[in-house]
Amino acid sequence: QSALTQPASVSGSPGQSITISCTGTSSDVGGYNYVSWYQQHPGKAPKLMIYDVSNRPSGVSNRFSGSKSGNTASLTISGLQAEDEADYYCSSYTSNSALAVFGGGTKLTVL
Amino acid sequence: VQLVESGGGLVQPGGSLRLSCAASGLTFSRYWMSWVRQAPGKGLEWVANINQDGSEKYYVDSVKGRFTISRDNAKNSLYLQMNSLRAEDTAVYYCATVEGYAFDIWGQGTMVTVSS
Repeated sequence: QSALTQPASVSGSPGQSITISCTGTSSDVGGYNYVSWYQQHPGKAPKLMIYDVSNRPSGVSNRFSGSKSGNTASLTISGLQAEDEADYYCSSYTSNSALAVFGGGTKLTVL
Repeated sequence: VQLVESGGGLVQPGGSLRLSCAASGLTFSRYWMSWVRQAPGKGLEWVANINQDGSEKYYVDSVKGRFTISRDNAKNSLYLQMNSLRAEDTAVYYCATVEGYAFDIWGQGTMVTVSS
């Protein structure tokens, strides 16, 4: 069982917007602004998409945005494109023994 | 900028393996580094962190006492010594740079299979 909870799957049509949630506790998501999001295509390494809740690394499309409220962080992808179809993972710093925890991952299907 | 892992393979339960991660195109000694693994068909799991000069090391509970993370800044390389391997250690192992509290640059991964 993953430390952070994500929906197993979400879907949307091209051009639409979708949001993926990531729920933790006050020891991780709720206690620190250190949530990051990763995109992983099949057979590929993960790619950092969002760091520190809402910041985009250089080169990441502004269609990707992040936010947080309480113990739940969210990744929103606007203007869905076929290439966005992938698995998405959230991660957070945690004050527990593990320094970083991941969510179980969400499979995004672009219909 | 590139991270290239090597050293994975098939090993029997109780055996050992040493993974390497070669960095190029970046100032390796500037970064905290991590190992993150992914069991087949499963999600990501943070395994270990090491600071820039190797004086601070952190591990997930499930590998404490069995795995050792280390680095050689002169060789731009990161290592993971894995002993007393178990079936549940079977995974693709990725090395990654740590920027702040995020895993920034990732290698392509190396597969470790623990099976008799």
